[in-house]
Amino acid sequence: GEDVEQSLFLSVREGDSSVINCTYTDSSSTYLYWYKQEPGAGLQLLTYIFSNMDMKQDQRLTVLLNKKDKHLSLRIADTQTGDSAIYFCAESMGGGYNKLIFGAGTRLAVHP
Amino acid sequence: DTEVTQTPKHLVMGMTNKKSLKCEQHMGHRAMYWYKQKAKKPPELMFVYSYEKLSINESVPSRFSPECPNSSLLNLHLHALQPEDSALYLCASSPLRGAVHEQYFGPGTRLTVT
Repeated sequence: GEDVEQSLFLSVREGDSSVINCTYTDSSSTYLYWYKQEPGAGLQLLTYIFSNMDMKQDQRLTVLLNKKDKHLSLRIADTQTGDSAIYFCAESMGGGYNKLIFGAGTRLAVHP
Repeated sequence: DTEVTQTPKHLVMGMTNKKSLKCEQHMGHRAMYWYKQKAKKPPELMFVYSYEKLSINESVPSRFSPECPNSSLLNLHLHALQPEDSALYLCASSPLRGAVHEQYFGPGTRLTVT
């Protein structure tokens, strides 16, 4: 079946690293995505990783993928107050139109 | 330009009204999507258009009627909605070339049905 799970809340101090975790169930997923949603706004694509990769780094963002355990994580280095938002992981079900299955979202709160 | 625009930003409508939501992208993407998002929940897929043809309808009630007039525009026509249809409606688009097919989202229309 299709299911994506995330912890619901994470609180970090400004300047620390944040790690947001996600587990997925469909081993046939080709790409896994991280989206950010600020209050009252749409979803912003942060990064994605191909399912045969272990790691992808993009500036302050590091994505780690453990395909054996179906575990995905997003690390944000030097977390800032502007990083406060809800972070969704999503797996793609493939196909030309790329149906996404979203996790419930992790609310990241950054405090001074 | 990775922008998807949506109008209006906010919409309040009665249960007997007819209204439309609009979405536009100029990235040359040939897949466009409508999602519904309730508070504190992830987006739920409603419809997918690929090459201007309806590819997926996720068993959405007929009071929601999508339309894709051309490759840049996507509309969602609303009629006889219920209060439980109040939500944030998100449009997204994605390329159909290449392998990633990443989706880009608009800012959404916040709909309130009274």
